[in-house]
Amino acid sequence: DAMVIQNPRYQVTQFGKPVTLSCSQTLNHNVMYWYQQKSSQAPKLLFHYYDKDFNNEADTPDNFQSRRPNTSFCFLDIRSPGLGDTAMYLCATSRAGAGNIQYFGAGTRLSVL
Amino acid sequence: GESVGLHLPTLSVQEGDNSIINCAYSNSASDYFIWYKQESGKGPQFIIDIRSNMDKRQGQRVTVLLNKTVKHLSLQIAATQPGDSAVYFCAETYGGSNYKLTFGKGTLLTVNP
Repeated sequence: DAMVIQNPRYQVTQFGKPVTLSCSQTLNHNVMYWYQQKSSQAPKLLFHYYDKDFNNEADTPDNFQSRRPNTSFCFLDIRSPGLGDTAMYLCATSRAGAGNIQYFGAGTRLSVL
Repeated sequence: GESVGLHLPTLSVQEGDNSIINCAYSNSASDYFIWYKQESGKGPQFIIDIRSNMDKRQGQRVTVLLNKTVKHLSLQIAATQPGDSAVYFCAETYGGSNYKLTFGKGTLLTVNP
């Protein structure tokens, strides 16, 4: 059974039209991450939540926001998608502490037209 | 920082052969390492991990070797199967990184029947 679930699997949006991607987890992990992965590249961390504490990466554009209403759910909001935001978006979870594995969802493939 | 390129390193092997995938990591303070397998259109899947107090760890058909002196990590896959075809990423982290992973560039493994 899937433990980190991302919806939708595929999303097409128009340039500038806001979009929200969702992630839910059944692992009861207190850390949740959002990554952006472009073709033939490694995942790039956008931000993460440690419990309710939000931690933004320094180079994450302001266009990207996140919400975590409870332990199980986390959302990625892209306020005004640009063509360069076309990518796979991956959600991951882990227990806090060094040496804990991050478990990934299947990803949402976003296309901005 | 990690380098980003449009072309992944590739490794092509015959079914049944052993595969060795290499990874050079950048941070001498890293104390925990993970190998992930990512099949096309899917999220990264945990394969095996190793802590810096070890130099070898074995799983089912996979072995990870760690050489801290030269900051090198390798993943050995025994009797490679067509289902092993995927992109393999190494990832590093350390206690002071706030649980964040730094991914390597990735290697595309192709298994020929």
